[in-house]
This record gives sequence, structure tokens and C-alpha cells, in this order.
Amino acid sequence: LAKTTQPISMDSYEGQEVNITCSHNNIATNDYITWYQQFPSQGPRFIIQGYKTKVTNEVASLFIPADRKSSTLSLPRVSLSDTAVYYCLVGDRAGTALIFGKGTTLSVSS
Amino acid sequence: EADIYQTPRYLVIGTGKKITLECSQTMGHDKMYWYQQDPGMELHLIHYSYGVNSTEKGDLSSESTVSRIRTEHFPLTLESARPSHTSQYLCASSVYSGRGNEQFFGPGTRLTVL
Repeated sequence: LAKTTQPISMDSYEGQEVNITCSHNNIATNDYITWYQQFPSQGPRFIIQGYKTKVTNEVASLFIPADRKSSTLSLPRVSLSDTAVYYCLVGDRAGTALIFGKGTTLSVSS
Repeated sequence: EADIYQTPRYLVIGTGKKITLECSQTMGHDKMYWYQQDPGMELHLIHYSYGVNSTEKGDLSSESTVSRIRTEHFPLTLESARPSHTSQYLCASSVYSGRGNEQFFGPGTRLTVL
């Protein structure tokens, strides 16, 4: 299973755009990139998944360059409620067990 | 919202007791998972199942065992609890949807072994 590397923490202010980058140098051809969000004392929650180029949904965008060795989660106009841990995962689309890693703790201030 | 349930939510027990953490989902998902997470730390996959009668160990060695006799039920058992088992245990199930392969997590069981 491909390993991922993310920054341990990031700080931002309300209303700003936040970009969290994840490295996954050993990503396999059939691997997808998925991001989860976790609040304290809760289980993680799915944010977005992609394979290449750009994916956008109602809460975030995911940018994946052509070599797929990294990806960037973009959160537009963050609010205090976006303070959480964000995990980047790499794995196949069949749901093969995923490795969560340490995640990035995002702190949003007013 | 996904329907995945874990009981109990909190459990405090003494060393040497046998315990079973329950996890059920009503979505008919084939794939289910157990994770262990200490406060402020990363999630570790300890068991997973791809369907009935299928169980595999995850990346973190665990003294717990699991069973998958029914699609909706994935209990985790500790034969003899120890203080080192104190942690939060999260159960999840997954399905492929239009958004991709998505894991749905239960609320977790916070276990304390004295």
C-alpha cells in the first residue's frame, strides 16, 4: 500500500482558501486518492476522491498533477468549523483497506 | 447519513475480562473495518472484512479477533483485556458510490482497561 506524507499542521483565518498538499510517490496505477476530515471524538468523514486532474464537489476541490505523485486538497473560504484533522489516503477503488497516516491538523482562527 | 452503529459507546473494565465491541450497519455494505485510535494520534487499521466469512488483519498488530457471520454485523473481541488496550475503537463500512469508494464511520467505542 502506498504511503502518504502530509504537513503535520496548518493555520489559517476565516474566509481564506486553504490548500493541503499530500505526497504519494509510490502510488500504483490503479490507486485513487481520497481525503477524509475528522473532528475530535468522531470518526472520519469522506470529503473527496479523485484519480487525475481535478475533481470538485460542494465542499472541496482536489488537484492531481499528471505524474500523480502528489495531490492538493483545496478548501475555499474556510470557517471556524473547518478546524479538524485532514487525512490523505491512497488505495484502489475496490475498497481495499486503506492506511490513514498522521493527517494534517488545520486550525482556523477568526 | 450512513447507518452504522457501535455499542457500547464507553466501556470501563478490569484487566483480564473478555469483551466484545459491537458494530452493525444497515446499508448492506460488503466491506467493513476496525480502526484503533489513541487521542490525538493517527488511526490504525486492525481488522477488515470484504464480506461474510472473510476477515483479515490490518497494518497494526492486535490481540483482538473479529468475525463476520452476517453482512451487517462485525464484532471485535478481546479475550483478556489489558491496560494497553485502552483506546478508541472505530468501526467503518464502505461502498462505491458516484463520489468514489467511501468509508462510513460509526461513533466509536472508547475503551478503558484498569
